[in-house]
Formats: sequence, structure tokens, C-alpha cells
Amino acid sequence: DVKVTQSSRYLVKRTGEKVFLECVQDMDHENMFWYRQDPGLGLRLIYFSYDVKMKEKGDIPEGYSVSREKKERFSLILESASTNQTSMYLCASSHRTGNYNEQFFGPGTRLTVL
Amino acid sequence: SQQGEEDPQALSIQEGENATMNCSYKTSINNLQWYRQNSGRGLVHLILIRSNEREKHSGRLRVTLDTSKKSSSLLITASRAADTASYFCATDASHSGAGSYQLTFGKGTKLSVIP
Repeated sequence: DVKVTQSSRYLVKRTGEKVFLECVQDMDHENMFWYRQDPGLGLRLIYFSYDVKMKEKGDIPEGYSVSREKKERFSLILESASTNQTSMYLCASSHRTGNYNEQFFGPGTRLTVL
Repeated sequence: SQQGEEDPQALSIQEGENATMNCSYKTSINNLQWYRQNSGRGLVHLILIRSNEREKHSGRLRVTLDTSKKSSSLLITASRAADTASYFCATDASHSGAGSYQLTFGKGTKLSVIP
């Protein structure tokens, strides 16, 4: 059974803290993605990676960075958390295929920044 | 950038009725996908339809795609209370040769099926 796991389901941090969100997939997927989901705004892509050590900015990369040192792991880093980064964070992965790029999602991390 | 837009934003029906959700998009696509999200959880892939396909079925799901109108619909037949969830369309607009990495998601339709 394919699986994407995220390190925490719920996280509470204080403004200014450095926050690490971890995502691991066991499907040997090349592509990995980080989204944030907010009411009324849908899913917005923060960063994605199509290979180890490669990263590309998505639609809203400001305030975030990522790390992909191993194929199965993709980390999202909030360098200095702010209250407007309170959100649901979703990680996903997919194969690098021609026309069947179905994404598999983790359960999400609900982050609250106080 | 927002590609897919679902309509309606919310839909409430009785168990046993059919539910239809629509998605419109702006640019040419390689494929369009539908996902489901139970409250507070991650998204689950339901079905993918390629740009050269017009209709696809999977169990109680039926998806249509009209590339001339840049629109798709998802029909859930004989709905059940367990179908209560949010449904998202996602478009792959990457060009051939560039790799299919990104999907662009709409804001979703929230479906409530009343027992």
C-alpha cells in the first residue's frame, strides 16, 4: 500500500521559531510537493522537487525553504514562523511520467503559529 | 496561479441522489484529475481523464471533459453519506517534453450527502 507520511498531524509554534515539516514517501517517486491549504483559497503550491537536491519555487515560496537530501524525504522549513503561516500543510509525491502524474498525498499537518 | 475553478462551491443532496460538480479551466491541458478530501485529511486521487478522452467511468463516478469549452464535470451516482467530502479538480498544463510535474488545483466543491 503506497504511503506518504508527515511528521506531525498538529503543531503549535511561536512567532519567530524555526519550524521543520517532514514528509516521507515509500513509492520511489521522483517528484515531491509542498502545498498549503487555506479556507476559500484552495491548495497553493509552495515548492516542489523533481529530483534529489533539486527544488523549484511554486506560487507562494516567500517565507519558506525546502530540502531534499534523499529521494524519499522532502522537508519544508519556515525560517521564522509568522502568524500568517498558520495553515494546513500538505505534502504529495508523484512519478515523473509522461501523462499519468497522479499525486499521492500525506494526511496533512495543521500548523498554528501563536 | 489558479487554473481549475469548481462549481458549485457547496452542494447538499439526499442520499441516493446524484451529485454533479463542474470544473472550468483556462489553458490547454494534458490531463484533468479529480480528487476527494475528507475533512481535515489529505487528498485522494479519484480519476484522471486525458485531453483526448471525452468520458471516463470508475464505479459510481463518471467524468466528462469538453476541451472546446475548457470544462469538466464529475458525476457521483446514487450518493451515500460516506461520499460527504470536498472534491477538487486539478489540471496538468505542462507541455510535452517538459515533464509532467505540477498540478494546479481548484478551490473545491464541498458535498454534503444527507442520510
